Amino acid sequence: QVQLVESGGGVVHPGRSLRLSCAASGFTFSSYAMHWVRQAPGKGLEWVALISYDGTNKYYADSMKGRFTISRDNSKNTLYLQMNSLRVEDTAVYYCAREDGSGANHWGQGTLVTVSS
Amino acid sequence: SYELTQPPSVSVSPGQTASITCSGDKLGDKYACWYQQKPGQSPVLVIFQDSKRPSGIPERFSGSTSGNTATLTISGTQAMDEADYYCQAWDRGTAVFGTGTKVTVL
Repeated sequence: QVQLVESGGGVVHPGRSLRLSCAASGFTFSSYAMHWVRQAPGKGLEWVALISYDGTNKYYADSMKGRFTISRDNSKNTLYLQMNSLRVEDTAVYYCAREDGSGANHWGQGTLVTVSS
Repeated sequence: SYELTQPPSVSVSPGQTASITCSGDKLGDKYACWYQQKPGQSPVLVIFQDSKRPSGIPERFSGSTSGNTATLTISGTQAMDEADYYCQAWDRGTAVFGTGTKVTVL
């Protein structure tokens, strides 16, 4: 069965960097585009970024462009999110999700990132 | 930036029909999908391409669009349907989520 497991979250000071990982299993990872989506505590879903199946194309939410970088290693079945210059408002649960062509039909359990001094 | 607007809350009695709207500029020209999220859980896709249900989603969930509004309808609402619901669409290469609607089954 499809499994997506995020890791790398934690507590970080403002201005610092963090890299999240999403380990995929149970499907041919290299055939699917992948998302990162976040959710601040008590708030709604916010799309972060999408990467194409082969890593060639990357798309970002305007508010994250320039600070966040999405990437993937198909040989390791792993998706990444590099987050730089973190702000307090980046505090959220970060989910990875598989894009099935017309929606994200598989999601991980999320990893919590807390940006605090 | 593109925005999708949903009512903050919808209340429904068990067995009745709940309708959740999602409004956005020229939404009718795009595909909408809907996600259900229960407390402490990850989102679940319940409708894609405006009106299609993924495998495993009960028939009581349906979707439609008219003009600039997409609608998720839950027929014969059950207590287990109490959750937050989000619409989502694509605009110029970016995905946008709606503001979210909390469905309460009274």
